[in-house]
Amino acid sequence: DVKVTQSSRYLVKRTGEKVFLECVQDMDHENMFWYRQDPGLGLRLIYFSYDVKMKEKGDIPEGYSVSREKKERFSLILESASTNQTSMYLCASSPQTGAEQYFGPGTRLTVT
Amino acid sequence: QKEVEQDPGPLSVPEGAIVSLNCTYSNSAFQYFMWYRQYSRKGPELLMYTYSSGNKEDGRFTAQVDKSSKYISLFIRDSQPSDSATYLCAVINTGGFKTIFGAGTRLFVKA
Repeated sequence: DVKVTQSSRYLVKRTGEKVFLECVQDMDHENMFWYRQDPGLGLRLIYFSYDVKMKEKGDIPEGYSVSREKKERFSLILESASTNQTSMYLCASSPQTGAEQYFGPGTRLTVT
Repeated sequence: QKEVEQDPGPLSVPEGAIVSLNCTYSNSAFQYFMWYRQYSRKGPELLMYTYSSGNKEDGRFTAQVDKSSKYISLFIRDSQPSDSATYLCAVINTGGFKTIFGAGTRLFVKA
């Protein structure tokens, strides 16, 4: 079974803090993704990566950056957390372009 | 206009009912169609995956794609309380990295 793990299930941070969300997949997938999920808005793509050290902006990259130093690990960074970044963050991986995605359990981030 | 539209529900049905979940999409370039199921406080998991038009059946679940009307459906037969979840439709175009998700329909199946 594909396993995608995320470093925290719940996180509470203060406005202005730097936040790191880590994601690890164990199936040697090429592609990895970060989404945020908000009620009524569904899943919105923040960034994705199709190879080590490669990254592409998604629909809502503002206020976020990413890092992929190893194939299995994809990190999302909030440089200076703001209250409007309170959300559920989901990491996913997929083996190839056009294929299904496998999701982690999510991190519910609250910024106060 | 959103690229994928999905009624958020909630949809409440009695156990044993046939459930119909639907999405519409706007771009005819989409070739791959998926349904994901998401239980509360969990990440989405792939339920059905189809390419182009037609039907695909897996147990109690049937996915249907009508490309002429840009309409995607998921049917659940003999629905169970364990089917209570949010169902997200998703589309992707050929050679594309980006999957477009619907907002999800919340389904409750009452025992």
